[in-house]
Amino acid sequence: DIQMTQSPSSLPASLGERVTISCRASQGISNNLNWYQQKPDGTIKPLIYYTSNLQSGVPSRFSGSGSGTDYSLTISRLEPEDFAMYYCQQDASFPNTFGAGTKLELK
Amino acid sequence: QVTLRESGPGMLQPSKTLSLTCSFSGFSLSTSGMVVSWIRQPSGKSLEWLAAIDWDGDKYYNPSLKSRLTVSKDTSNTQVFLKITSVDIADTATYYCARSLPGYYYVMDAWGQGASVTVSS
Repeated sequence: DIQMTQSPSSLPASLGERVTISCRASQGISNNLNWYQQKPDGTIKPLIYYTSNLQSGVPSRFSGSGSGTDYSLTISRLEPEDFAMYYCQQDASFPNTFGAGTKLELK
Repeated sequence: QVTLRESGPGMLQPSKTLSLTCSFSGFSLSTSGMVVSWIRQPSGKSLEWLAAIDWDGDKYYNPSLKSRLTVSKDTSNTQVFLKITSVDIADTATYYCARSLPGYYYVMDAWGQGASVTVSS
């Protein structure tokens, strides 16, 4: 299975700040990289698919980039509702696998 | 509006069979290319994809659990089921079902709220 390594595991940040979360695959995944947000109540919201495509309804302050084995999620200006867990997922290889998550928390 | 809702027993004993139901609305699993997956998350840990079934009834399983998993759907294409045999404490988790649109097999664009399952004697 492809291993997905996210960093950092925890990211303290302030409102209005720009933040970036990284995700590294154990082998090339040809941009088949997706991002999800999970709130403390367990609700999971899809954010980005195929590296850089926003899911419907996702604010434009979210963006994704990357290639090969290295990918990132950037939030340009943090809003209160953005403080949550973030997971990357590869679906290039079966079975699809998720990263361990990054907790974005209020500084 | 697409909604998915998981239901299950809440708690069951080790060695039993776990049965979960995913009831959904706003789409039909009979639509060509549609897929519904099961994913689980132990408390404080990450997500693990378990299984999927597509519009044509083809089934896909995580090799790490394949021998214990059975995914199925109902004839009305509004429910998907997951059975996990011989559960143990390690199967304690929140279980989610999620939809993927045609052409995006494992890009889950809609998720349920999750069903908490505790395995305990």
